Amino acid sequence: TQLLEQSPQFLSIQEGENLTVYCNSSSVFSSLQWYRQEPGEGPVLLVTVVTGGEVKKLKRLTFQFGDARKDSSLHITAAQTGDTGLYLCAVNTGTASKLTFGTGTRLQVTL
Amino acid sequence: EAQVTQNPRYLITVTGKKLTVTCSQNMNHEYMSWYRQDPGLGLRQIYYSMNVEVTDKGDVPEGYKVSRKEKRNFPLILESPSPNQTSLYFCASSPSGTWGETQYFGPGTRLLVL
Repeated sequence: TQLLEQSPQFLSIQEGENLTVYCNSSSVFSSLQWYRQEPGEGPVLLVTVVTGGEVKKLKRLTFQFGDARKDSSLHITAAQTGDTGLYLCAVNTGTASKLTFGTGTRLQVTL
Repeated sequence: EAQVTQNPRYLITVTGKKLTVTCSQNMNHEYMSWYRQDPGLGLRQIYYSMNVEVTDKGDVPEGYKVSRKEKRNFPLILESPSPNQTSLYFCASSPSGTWGETQYFGPGTRLLVL
């Protein structure tokens, strides 16, 4: 079983639409990260959320860490084609920067 | 430009033929790590290194070796590749290995083992 479950697995929307993707777990985490991976590239860190209930905004992207620190969501307002990619959540599960990733949500934004 | 580089980007090989994937970073980072990415399984850590001459196993180390003789380089070695090691491999680095700091990923190496 996956430590981090992401949903939906795939999402295809048109430019201008809003969307929300989710990262869920039965475990409690001290913090959580979101990455975006574009085709042919490695993941790029978008944000780290550390406090239960925390909301962080990055332009049109809004990240929320659940009150119980077991889940997180990413909301994109007015999606653009440049938002296309694989969105991954990740947590620290051991010593140092040992990241455990979710399986990701693949987002396709079309004109 | 600050970056993590990997070579080769694409590799097709046959079962049992030893290969090395190189990883180099120019940011003077202490921490480096290798991941593999497979459909439905996501990114899984293979090995990591906190500093020169210090390496440790991640979640899926079987069939892989690493070395860290210099701070900037962290090669991944497959002594006897098998088809189940066909995957997309990423190297990553961060300043000190502290949770929460940004990890910088390389562009990936796509490996096919026949």
